[in-house]
Formats: sequence, structure tokens, C-alpha cells
Amino acid sequence: DGGITQSPKYLFRKEGQNVTLSCEQNLNHDAMYWYRQDPGQGLRLIYYSQIVNDFQKGDIAEGYSVSREKKESFPLTVTSAQKNPTAFYLCASRVGQSSYEQYFGPGTRLTVT
Amino acid sequence: AQSVTQLGSHVSVSEGALVLLRCNYSSSVPPYLFWYVQYPNQGLQLLLKYTTGATLVKGINGFEAEFKKSETSFHLTKPSAHMSDAAEYFCAVSVQTGANNLFFGTGTRLTVIP
Repeated sequence: DGGITQSPKYLFRKEGQNVTLSCEQNLNHDAMYWYRQDPGQGLRLIYYSQIVNDFQKGDIAEGYSVSREKKESFPLTVTSAQKNPTAFYLCASRVGQSSYEQYFGPGTRLTVT
Repeated sequence: AQSVTQLGSHVSVSEGALVLLRCNYSSSVPPYLFWYVQYPNQGLQLLLKYTTGATLVKGINGFEAEFKKSETSFHLTKPSAHMSDAAEYFCAVSVQTGANNLFFGTGTRLTVIP
């Protein structure tokens, strides 16, 4: 089955700790995205990557970091610099330059206390 | 710049009634438009999309949407609501740029009353 996997589904961390969220896709898609979802605010773009070893900041990149060493993997690190890290995080991918729709993973709910 | 406005953060309909979820967009160039559905604690699933061609597009689960350029709208409809339609719905817009990013509305939560 082709798709996007995000792990874990639920993640709990103490304030001040960095945490890495996993995103893997076996769709052979070129582009990958990370979004943050908060109630009533829709989806906000954190980072995106159109090709391996290249990525760009989205609208709310502060306090986050990413890497794209492999086409199928796009991990997101939530650093201690992120002031309000508790949220639902969604990873998505897109086929390539000629397409526009994105396909989403199941999400990771991060709770920081 | 592109943006999306979804009118009504919560919509309630009776089972069997018409579903109408409103979406207006802003774009200086021809847009590509999407509707996604999200069930609780899950990712987003593509319902339908408009890129070019026929302005009335049909999607999964009996939903359809019509692109109206003069009204800058892309409203989502379904003739008869089912209990399983209860979810959050997001409208999104993209344009042909290098990044082809999606810009999302803030979502509309649909409740279906039995």
C-alpha cells in the first residue's frame, strides 16, 4: 500500500526538550510539506521541500527545523525555541511540478507540558 | 497573494438535507481549487479539485463544487447529508508558481443531526 506514514500518533514531551516527528512516504513524490494545525486556524505551513537536500521555510518556521536527506523521508524537529509547540502536526506530499494536490499523512498530536 | 475565506466555522444540517459549505478565494491569477475533508484526529483527504475545464466538479462521497470566477467562489454541496459526512472541511487554493503551495481556509465543521 502506497501512502504517507507519521509516527508516533501521540507524543508527549516536557518543556525544554527537542522532539523529532517522523514522516515517510512510499509514493515516490518529489515534494513534501509540514503543517501545523490549531483549532480554528486551519493549516499553517512550517517547511516544505521540493527536492532532496533542499527545503524552504513556510509561514511559521521559527522554532522548527527539518532535513531532507532521502526522497522518502522528511523529519521535523520541534526545538525548545518553539514557544507553543502543542499542536497537531501534518505531513503531506505532492507528486511533482505539474501537480497541485497534496496527499496527507494521519498526523502526530504533540503535547508539551 | 492567494487566500481563502470559509464562511461559517460551524454548519449544522439535518440528515437528508442539503449540505452547502461556502468558500471564497482571492487570487490574482487563475487558481486551482480544492476541498479536503478531515475526520477527528486524522489527516486530510482530498474530496475534489478544480484545475481547468468544466467548472462543476464531482468528488467522492457524493460531493460536488462549482467554480464561479465572477463570484470568486468554490462552494461545496451535497444533495442529501449522511451521518458519516460529519467532519471538518477545508477549502484550499493554489496557483502555478515554482512552489505550487496550497493556501488553506480555516475550516468548517459540519454537524449532521439525526
